Amino acid sequence: DTGVSQNPRHKITKRGQNVTFRCDPISEHNRLYWYRQTLGQGPEFLTYFQNEAQLEKSRLLSDRFSAERPKGSFSTLEIQRTEQGDSAMYLCASSSMTGGTGELFFGEGSRLTVL
Amino acid sequence: AQKITQTQPGMFVQEKEAVTLDCTYDTSDPSYGLFWYKQPSSGEMIFLIYQGSYDQQNATEGRYSLNFQKARKSANLVISASQLGDSAMYFCAMRESNYGQNFVFGPGTRLSVLP
Repeated sequence: DTGVSQNPRHKITKRGQNVTFRCDPISEHNRLYWYRQTLGQGPEFLTYFQNEAQLEKSRLLSDRFSAERPKGSFSTLEIQRTEQGDSAMYLCASSSMTGGTGELFFGEGSRLTVL
Repeated sequence: AQKITQTQPGMFVQEKEAVTLDCTYDTSDPSYGLFWYKQPSSGEMIFLIYQGSYDQQNATEGRYSLNFQKARKSANLVISASQLGDSAMYFCAMRESNYGQNFVFGPGTRLSVLP
């Protein structure tokens, strides 16, 4: 399977704990995106990387959120001191701008529940 | 301001009939791309169709076509010969070339196909 892989698929944590999600993009894709989706809403942009550089970060993203893509391959999204409002599906997507339409290929998401 | 507007929270269509899902967008960037994604109840985001701002012809992909009216800033998705498996959430998204490369998604339309 050469699609976008995310883990864990589900995470239940207590308020105040830190959580980390991992995303492995399609190997030849140089762009990687993180989105958050709550029930019944569209995906909300969080941040994106081109190779290892974080090029854009949503102003809605608090300083409790940090993302890395250290070698331009996989990425991690860490949420510190989780709050109940952080409960959502966290979607990772990757794309390539070399040829094609540059559409996003999504992973299956990591669902976070903060108790 | 909302960049992507989808005014139909829910739509019903009879199996085998055609349905149009509305999408309007707002941008001052002359170069942009418009995308439609399908999200079934299983949660994965599936790319359906793409329209570039400079494309002269409306995009088509199998049973999907995009009714692109640039002056009206609308990019409606037309699904012909609806099938029960088309029941899902549908999201319109835009990528602007000159204002970052992130994809902005609309709130979505839930389509229900009736037997």
